[in-house]
Amino acid sequence: IAGITQAPTSQILAAGRRMTLRCTQDMRHNAMYWYRQDLGLGLRLIHYSNTAGTTGKGEVPDGYSVSRANTDDFPLTLASAVPSQTSVYFCASSESGLAGDHGELFFGEGSRLTVL
Amino acid sequence: GESVGLHLPTLSVQEGDNSIINCAYSNSASDYFIWYKQESGKGPQFIIDIRSNMDKRQGQRVTVLLNKTVKHLSLQIAATQPGDSAVYFCAPGGGGYNKLIFGAGTRLAVHP
Repeated sequence: IAGITQAPTSQILAAGRRMTLRCTQDMRHNAMYWYRQDLGLGLRLIHYSNTAGTTGKGEVPDGYSVSRANTDDFPLTLASAVPSQTSVYFCASSESGLAGDHGELFFGEGSRLTVL
Repeated sequence: GESVGLHLPTLSVQEGDNSIINCAYSNSASDYFIWYKQESGKGPQFIIDIRSNMDKRQGQRVTVLLNKTVKHLSLQIAATQPGDSAVYFCAPGGGGYNKLIFGAGTRLAVHP
């Protein structure tokens, strides 16, 4: 089934460790996004990429980095994890970065990260 | 800054009844609005969208109403079913998906 694959599904991590959350889409979408979801706060955009080779900062980018070497993959890295980064992380993609122009925003199933 | 509020954090309805989920937004420049559904343990799923040049749009069992004058939109679900139980988010935005602002969500609980 076409869509977005995130890995790992769940991870417990010691503070200070480096962690990369993986995201792969097979829809050949140009734009990809990383969100975090915390109870009572909704989804907040961390970083995005409108096309391979470019990235941009979202609402809460501090402590996170991304890369977009090709169309399909958009990994999110926590260089030195802190407890406040405990959250559920969602990767998403869209055919175009322009909302409403080309279909919808598709989400993965999420990666639950706990930083102790 | 932009804020998105929801009038009811939890909505309980009887199976077969119609459900109305409301959403208020603050940025009058928002020109595109999306509703998402999120079931427990899953990622958000697109339901329906509406542009600012429309005041109503209908899908399968769902209708979105937009009132730009008061910066309010609603999602109406007809003949609510147990499978509709989920958290519903509205997301106003303009220009790009990276501009979308997601509300905290309203939980819809459908009772038999």
